[in-house]
Amino acid sequence: KNEVEQSPQNLTAQEEEFITINCSYSVGISALHWLQQHPGGGIVSLFMLSSGKKKHGRLIATINIQEKHSSLHITASHPRDSAVYICAVLKFGNEKLTFGTGTRLTIIP
Amino acid sequence: EPEVTQTPSHQVTQMGQEVILRCVPISNHLYFYWYRQILGQKVEFLVSFYNNEISEKSEIFDDQFSVERPDGSNFTLKIRSTKLEDSAMYFCASSERGVAYEQYFGPGTRLTVT
Repeated sequence: KNEVEQSPQNLTAQEEEFITINCSYSVGISALHWLQQHPGGGIVSLFMLSSGKKKHGRLIATINIQEKHSSLHITASHPRDSAVYICAVLKFGNEKLTFGTGTRLTIIP
Repeated sequence: EPEVTQTPSHQVTQMGQEVILRCVPISNHLYFYWYRQILGQKVEFLVSFYNNEISEKSEIFDDQFSVERPDGSNFTLKIRSTKLEDSAMYFCASSERGVAYEQYFGPGTRLTVT
């Protein structure tokens, strides 16, 4: 069983829709990263969270440490948001990230 | 804006050959990482490097692999005697303050072993 699970695996939505991508993990963590992988393959770091909530532009990330769950929200989605969104966790005592399988998001104009 | 660069963008090699993948991290960063993504699969951690030594490595990172920071700017991943299953995208990343902080990823090197 994967230590990091993301849902949904694939998500297609209309432009302007509010998007939520979920990440659940089964291990104790000290930090969680949200990453964006562009269609061309490049990876961009979106957020690093250890508690609470962060916001950057139209993106919001939240984490609930007790429930071992994080969400990434996109408001007013746009076709350029189409990408794979990846959750990665840093387990306690580790120096390496453990990655989820990603959520492929497609925004239709 | 500073960025991580990687060369080459695509490397084709024959099974059994050695390859060196090169990365130039952001200049004031101290922590360096290699990741691998086999086509259609999730990203996997290979190795982290700090203060001129490996700080952590995964079970994938066996004796076939080695990393080096030969000249204070480049960070290399060497794969000896490549196998077909080494075909993947290899990403380098760097971080100013460690793995619990933001990492900056390079564009990746696609390695194809034939």
